[in-house]
Amino acid sequence: NAGVTQTPKFQVLKTGQSMTLQCAQDMNHEYMSWYRQDPGMGLRLIHYSVGAGITDQGEVPNGYNVSRSTTEDFPLRLLSAAPSQTSVYFCASSFRTDFNYGYTFGSGTRLTVV
Amino acid sequence: GQQVMQIPQYQHVQEGEDFTTYCNSSTTLSNIQWYKQRPGGHPVFLIQLVKSGEVKKQKRLTFQFGEAKKNSSLHITATQTTDVGTYFCAGRGTGGFKTIFGAGTRLFVKA
Repeated sequence: NAGVTQTPKFQVLKTGQSMTLQCAQDMNHEYMSWYRQDPGMGLRLIHYSVGAGITDQGEVPNGYNVSRSTTEDFPLRLLSAAPSQTSVYFCASSFRTDFNYGYTFGSGTRLTVV
Repeated sequence: GQQVMQIPQYQHVQEGEDFTTYCNSSTTLSNIQWYKQRPGGHPVFLIQLVKSGEVKKQKRLTFQFGEAKKNSSLHITATQTTDVGTYFCAGRGTGGFKTIFGAGTRLFVKA
């Protein structure tokens, strides 16, 4: 079991560029989510998914798109990168959707937008 | 929307001193989870509390869930340098799928 795998680990983008952050889990988890972590602001929910084909917005969804075509993968797309999107991004998954299981986090993607 | 507040933001302690972080939600929670993030690492699940007034212990860590299921605390007895990191609480309102994290409390332990 690899757990939750995020790629890349580091990325530098220029303002206006687009990119996709990859997240894959091999634990057959139903629930997957994306958080961004900024100093002093904790983890803020961007988007989440309760199963293949189902996604919904979190607290800070603007500027990001997601899709969940398979149970395993939950990519996060930045449509047109802005300096305000400089952050550490974590993908997290859980066995079921009912919040009775702890989240497993990936090791994160550190993104800098210049 | 649902908010989860966590205090203090930072805490410096001498090794051997106790430490407590508090978590308060604007809405009633179905349950609450606690995570630890070491510097440069990712959050790691510690424990979940479900019942009103529940208390759970993990060695030197004691977790409490309030009677109204709107607040929680984590207490560490006799801190050690291995306790350094940021402790987060996370909650979800009843009937929803959004898990909201507190801002975290960063613990510094001086040997």
